[in-house]
Amino acid sequence: AQSVTQPDIHITVSEGASLELRCNYSYGATPYLFWYVQSPGQGLQLLLKYFSGDTLVQGIKGFEAEFKRSQSSFNLRKPSVHWSDAAEYFCAVPEGYKLSFGAGTTVTVRA
Amino acid sequence: ETGVTQTPRHLVMGMTNKKSLKCEQHLGHNAMYWYKQSAKKPLELMFVYSLEERVENNSVPSRFSPECPNSSHLFLHLHTLQPEDSALYLCASSQVEFGNTIYFGEGSWLTVV
Repeated sequence: AQSVTQPDIHITVSEGASLELRCNYSYGATPYLFWYVQSPGQGLQLLLKYFSGDTLVQGIKGFEAEFKRSQSSFNLRKPSVHWSDAAEYFCAVPEGYKLSFGAGTTVTVRA
Repeated sequence: ETGVTQTPRHLVMGMTNKKSLKCEQHLGHNAMYWYKQSAKKPLELMFVYSLEERVENNSVPSRFSPECPNSSHLFLHLHTLQPEDSALYLCASSQVEFGNTIYFGEGSWLTVV
């Protein structure tokens, strides 16, 4: 079965610093890959999605992710973090028409 | 703004009560989902409805009873719950196509006392 692994449970970053969240996938073919964000007390919101083409994907809120087949990775990045980026981030891969989610990475932003 | 609306946003219920969570999607999707999110645990997929037919029930206790009267509405009926059922319940919808984006509601916070 397809799956994703998020190695980092919790990351703390200073406001204005760069952020990178890791996601490793297990998938037989060229995967679809997703990143979602969940702000405190809210549902999950799609940040970006990769399904083919350019391996660097731009998303909302200034995020981007890079698909690297050789490393089976789809890491999420943001060059300069804002306090409002404090949230939980989930990587996901399709399982049929459903999605299989990683365990999530909680991001804390310090002033 | 979300195309998936959940009510109520917060619910406190006793262990002997019966209540329901409601979800409505305005996106024209044909699949709907219930997820459970407990503190410090991964997202748990509870139920999946595809074209109004339940296609997945992931070993969820019978005190949780889903209902999907049409492709736009999904309910989760709750009765005789336990304190460990306290969690955020998320409704979501999508098209029944491989690789489609799943859209989530803002969730219903349930506290069982």
